[in-house]
Amino acid sequence: EDQVTQSPEALRLQEGESSSLNCSYTVSGLRGLFWYRQDPGKGPEFLFTLYSAGEEKEKERLKATLTKKESFLHITAPKPEDSATYLCAGAFSGGYNKLIFGAGTRLAVHP
Amino acid sequence: DTAVSQTPKYLVTQMGNDKSIKCEQNLGHDTMYWYKQDSKKFLKIMFSYNNKELIINETVPNRFSPKSPDKAHLNLHINSLELGDSAVYFCASSQDRREGGIQYFGAGTRLSVL
Repeated sequence: EDQVTQSPEALRLQEGESSSLNCSYTVSGLRGLFWYRQDPGKGPEFLFTLYSAGEEKEKERLKATLTKKESFLHITAPKPEDSATYLCAGAFSGGYNKLIFGAGTRLAVHP
Repeated sequence: DTAVSQTPKYLVTQMGNDKSIKCEQNLGHDTMYWYKQDSKKFLKIMFSYNNKELIINETVPNRFSPKSPDKAHLNLHINSLELGDSAVYFCASSQDRREGGIQYFGAGTRLSVL
């Protein structure tokens, strides 16, 4: 069964303290790896999609990378407004673009 | 102008009632989805329609029935509501049903069954 696992469950950072979030996935048949941001009471907001190992994408303080078995979301010099839950999801072959989500990482950035 | 919009935003109802949630997208996409986010914040796919055709139907009680009158709209009707149906329901859309297509989500409908 296709699975996506995120770690850590929660992360507390000081403003400016860089860190990484991890997302590991079932190896076979990945068609796309997605990162979303979810704020309380809101829907998931699309951040990045990665399709092949070695691919990297960047947006402001965020950079997503993909290997053959996991993805990382690197946060450089975070600010309090980066506080949110970050969700990782995979689309796998034969799934009609069904996204399998991880449980998310709750990030809190303190001034 | 909201790309994927859901109504209502909040829904409070009694056990045994029947309720509907509506979703509309103005992105011109062919494929729409319903996801359920439970109290532990886990998002799980329920259904997907591609151009009014049901293409994903996960293991969901048959009290849940999706309907797509056209490719811009996807509604979710729930019969005989139970306490365990309390959750946030999200609608999403993607350009087409190809695997790996980006899905855009609505703001969610928070359903509370009393």
